Amino acid sequence: SQKIEQNSEALNIQEGKTATLTCNYTNYSPAYLQWYRQDPGRGPVFLLLIRENEKEKRKERLKVTFDTTLKQSLFHITASQPADSATYLCARAAGTYKYIFGTGTRLKVLA
Amino acid sequence: EAQVTQNPRYLITVTGKKLTVTCSQNMNHEYMSWYRQDPGLGLRQIYYSMNVEVTDKGDVPEGYKVSRKEKRNFPLILESPSPNQTSLYFCASSLEKGSSYEQYFGPGTRLTVT
Repeated sequence: SQKIEQNSEALNIQEGKTATLTCNYTNYSPAYLQWYRQDPGRGPVFLLLIRENEKEKRKERLKVTFDTTLKQSLFHITASQPADSATYLCARAAGTYKYIFGTGTRLKVLA
Repeated sequence: EAQVTQNPRYLITVTGKKLTVTCSQNMNHEYMSWYRQDPGLGLRQIYYSMNVEVTDKGDVPEGYKVSRKEKRNFPLILESPSPNQTSLYFCASSLEKGSSYEQYFGPGTRLTVT
């Protein structure tokens, strides 16, 4: 079955550093991967989508990569700020209309 | 304001008492979906709808029903709730005919079944 694996351990980093979060998937490569941010008690908010044929995608301080050989996506936040503290979810398409989400990685940026 | 709304936000009920959680979006999105979120298990898809009168099962559909009679509404029905359906529920919608397949999520409904 298709799975998305994210590091369930919280990631603590110092303000100003680059945070790197990992998303590993199983089975065939999805057509795209999505990254969402979720704050406590709130619904996820879409951040970025990266397609299978794209190696890298950027949006402001965010960068996402997609490595079909490693079956992995990396999510980077450069110049991290305390306001970036949240849980970050990775999701893959599992068919045309189905989605599978990872359990998320909690990021804490220390001032 | 573009948004997905859910009601109620919090619900405590007893085993076997039928309930409906409503979901509405004002973005004219074709696609809508329901998820449940549990600690350690993440977001799991319950049902989704590609358009009016078209629905299909996600990964965890047992014990749930949905309907899509209007484009904007996608209610989740629990005919006979059980304690294992205690969870945080999210409704989401997206414009499938686009480039990002971005899902817009509602604020969540915290359901407790005793």
